[in-house]
Amino acid sequence: AQSVTQPDIHITVSEGASLELRCNYSYGATPYLFWYVQSPGQGLQLLLKYFSGDTLVQGIKGFEAEFKRSQSSFNLRKPSVHWSDAAEYFCAVGAPGWYGGSQGNLIFGKGTKLSVKP
Amino acid sequence: NAGVMQNPRHLVRRRGQEARLRCSPMKGHSHVYWYRQLPEEGLKFMVYLQKENIIDESGMPKERFSAEFPKEGPSILRIQQVVRGDSAAYFCASSSGQGNTGELFFGEGSRLTVL
Repeated sequence: AQSVTQPDIHITVSEGASLELRCNYSYGATPYLFWYVQSPGQGLQLLLKYFSGDTLVQGIKGFEAEFKRSQSSFNLRKPSVHWSDAAEYFCAVGAPGWYGGSQGNLIFGKGTKLSVKP
Repeated sequence: NAGVMQNPRHLVRRRGQEARLRCSPMKGHSHVYWYRQLPEEGLKFMVYLQKENIIDESGMPKERFSAEFPKEGPSILRIQQVVRGDSAAYFCASSSGQGNTGELFFGEGSRLTVL
């Protein structure tokens, strides 16, 4: 069965420090991968997505992610964290039949909560 | 350009009552998805609807839960005879469904508390 694992439940970094959030997936075919961010009490906002092509994907708010097929990973990175980045981050994979079928069945990880120290 | 609108944002129900959650997709979007987020969990897919059609309800509990997306008006997620375990945040998302780039636009969620 398809699954997404985010090994870190909670991460704290200092403002200005670099950030890497881990995501591993289990998927039988070419995955469609996403990172979403959720601020407290809010909905989810798409940061970036990977469908194919260049394995290094740029997103909004200075985030990027790298798809590594050999490691089944899609880690999210940011070179310098800002206090406003404190939120919960979710990695997701598109379920079978996703692409072209307009199906919205995304499988989400449990999330990583990011705290930022001044 | 309004985003995905969900209401109510917060809903309190006693066990055995009914909960109705509404979702208006983004303008121009005809595909609606409902997800549930339990405490300390990621989002779990429940159902995918297009106008007047349920496309995929593989994530819906077999009993007490139903969803619709009528020709006119918002999509409705209905939970009958709620139990404490139904307490969760329910998120609606929409997409255009055409040349789908895979992006879902999420609403701010409806948080259901069952007493």
